[in-house]
Amino acid sequence: QKEVEQNSGPLSVPEGAIASLNCTYSDRGSQSFFWYRQYSGKSPELIMFIYSNGDKEDGRFTAQLNKASQYVSLLIRDSQPSDSATYLCAVIGGYGKLTFGQGTILTVHP
Amino acid sequence: GAGVSQTPSNKVTEKGKYVELRCDPISGHTALYWYRQSLGQGPEFLIYFQGTGAADDSGLPNDRFFAVRPEGSVSTLKIQRTERGDSAVYLCASSPSRDDTGELFFGEGSRLTVL
Repeated sequence: QKEVEQNSGPLSVPEGAIASLNCTYSDRGSQSFFWYRQYSGKSPELIMFIYSNGDKEDGRFTAQLNKASQYVSLLIRDSQPSDSATYLCAVIGGYGKLTFGQGTILTVHP
Repeated sequence: GAGVSQTPSNKVTEKGKYVELRCDPISGHTALYWYRQSLGQGPEFLIYFQGTGAADDSGLPNDRFFAVRPEGSVSTLKIQRTERGDSAVYLCASSPSRDDTGELFFGEGSRLTVL
């Protein structure tokens, strides 16, 4: 089993809809979780992190963490075409080393 | 510059050749990471430097891969006897410290193609 697994996608949603991206992780001891966004041909950039069970909201983005189920999700409300990108889930290990999932490609169509 | 700089942006080489990829991190960042990203995959950890020393090189796939950071700033990833399977985008990232903040600042990557 991979350390971090994401729903395979690709995911296509209409403009204005909610996009839901999901991630599971294998190490029950993992404490911190991150969502990075990567536009085509560009480098990843951090958009959200979450440490505690429950929801964390930042603008149109909400990260959800359920440590008992080893599940992390990212919701994007009022999706815009500019949100079209690959979303990478990551967990942190020693030294700040991040382990990434394979990514989910999101397309928001007008 | 303000961001992480990587050179070359593209490198095409023949199987069996030696390549060097350079990373210039954000000034003052002590932590430096190398990742490799294949098409359709997430970044895969290769090596982590804290200062001049390689604190974790567990991700290097074999002894053909080596990285240095002699003065605690610029780092070079070296690949000997390249193979077609080495073709990927090599990403460098830096962060201010080894705190578990999870925010890595990535460069634009070096795309390596081995023919």
